[in-house]
Amino acid sequence: DSGVTQTPKHLITATGQRVTLRCSPRSGDLSVYWYQQSLDQGLQFLIQYYNGEERAKGNILERFSAQQFPDLHSELNLSSLELGDSALYFCASSATGSRGFGTDTQYFGPGTRLTVL
Amino acid sequence: AQSVTQPDIHITVSEGASLELRCNYSYGATPYLFWYVQSPGQGLQLLLKYFSGDTLVQGIKGFEAEFKRSQSSFNLRKPSVHWSDAAEYFCAVAPYSSASKIIFGSGTRLSIRP
Repeated sequence: DSGVTQTPKHLITATGQRVTLRCSPRSGDLSVYWYQQSLDQGLQFLIQYYNGEERAKGNILERFSAQQFPDLHSELNLSSLELGDSALYFCASSATGSRGFGTDTQYFGPGTRLTVL
Repeated sequence: AQSVTQPDIHITVSEGASLELRCNYSYGATPYLFWYVQSPGQGLQLLLKYFSGDTLVQGIKGFEAEFKRSQSSFNLRKPSVHWSDAAEYFCAVAPYSSASKIIFGSGTRLSIRP
């Protein structure tokens, strides 16, 4: 158990809908990272938040957005969903992450499996 | 363009045998290099990482990896595999300065023959 929790575990929705995925980082970790894992695209980094502020952006679509709240939990919002958005979405956290990606070990949650029908 | 190649999609080895998973990268400078493992139904777990210094890196669970600049490779090795090592293994590269440029390989699925 990494100490990172994600809810829900599974999510099934229809095209055009909007969903919110939630992540609680390990106690004391300031950075949260979101990843998408799909059969087509493989594993991709989406976005990083550090202590409430966006730190780095990867291959995140404009239909997707994220935020990190004062209690450090994070939410990933996916809107106007398409069939191709079906994937496993991982959240990871690290202690700081303020000095660049590679300096901190990231701890991954178990993921949220999103199915868009 | 930056890229990471894991040429082996699926490898099967016998329990107790040695293992080597290949990873090649294409990058302008020496990047930060990582190996992650993903067990079925689980998230990723960091096995080891290379930033600088000694090119042979020791990780958790008895794994090690060797950075070879001349071959642009960062192969993962284990002298004797256990059935619990069956999982998907991902190699990844990232520059120090920008997480937005992290790239993962497509993964190698490891099966263990009893």
